[in-house]
Amino acid sequence: GQQVMQIPQYQHVQEGEDFTTYCNSSTTLSNIQWYKQRPGGHPVFLIQLVKSGEVKKQKRLTFQFGEAKKNSSLHITATQTTDVGTYFCAGRRAGSYQLTFGKGTKLSVIP
Amino acid sequence: NAGVTQTPKFQVLKTGQSMTLQCAQDMNHEYMSWYRQDPGMGLRLIHYSVGAGITDQGEVPNGYNVSRSTTEDFPLRLLSAAPSQTSVYFCASSSTGGRLSSGNTIYFGEGSWLTVV
Repeated sequence: GQQVMQIPQYQHVQEGEDFTTYCNSSTTLSNIQWYKQRPGGHPVFLIQLVKSGEVKKQKRLTFQFGEAKKNSSLHITATQTTDVGTYFCAGRRAGSYQLTFGKGTKLSVIP
Repeated sequence: NAGVTQTPKFQVLKTGQSMTLQCAQDMNHEYMSWYRQDPGMGLRLIHYSVGAGITDQGEVPNGYNVSRSTTEDFPLRLLSAAPSQTSVYFCASSSTGGRLSSGNTIYFGEGSWLTVV
């Protein structure tokens, strides 16, 4: 079945440092989504990427979708304590309703 | 709009008991799904539905049943609870059934914390 690998599992950064999480799929994806889950909370949709090579920005967050549509990344510039949480990628194959989630990257920000 | 509402928020069950986790959405979404979240395992799909009367299995369906008699409701039934079903359960919904769409946001409920002893 489809597998989505996400690294690293944990990341501790000093406030102000940058952060990147990477997502790799075993199959070509139709689209990929990113979610953020705060401690004790539920996943909240951040963005969806659809096109090969697509890059989208949301303030300090930059999302990329690989040319082969099998990998993606989320980069946060100058982290803040409000960025704390677990970031998940979730990929969908063409013709499938199912979203397969990565195991997430838990980000801790040290003030 | 309440979005996606799950009940109960917390539940303790004894092994062998049955129970139903309720999920309702008021956004007229066709697609609804149930995930379980375990430490280090991410979110795993249990069952999903693309419309009333249509359900299908996800990655980890064993021990769970679902039904979709209305667009709004998608209950998850544990038939005979086991300690391995201790987890956090999330219900989610979206429009368009996940097809390629610019408006394809998935909305999650706040979660149901289940402990089986």
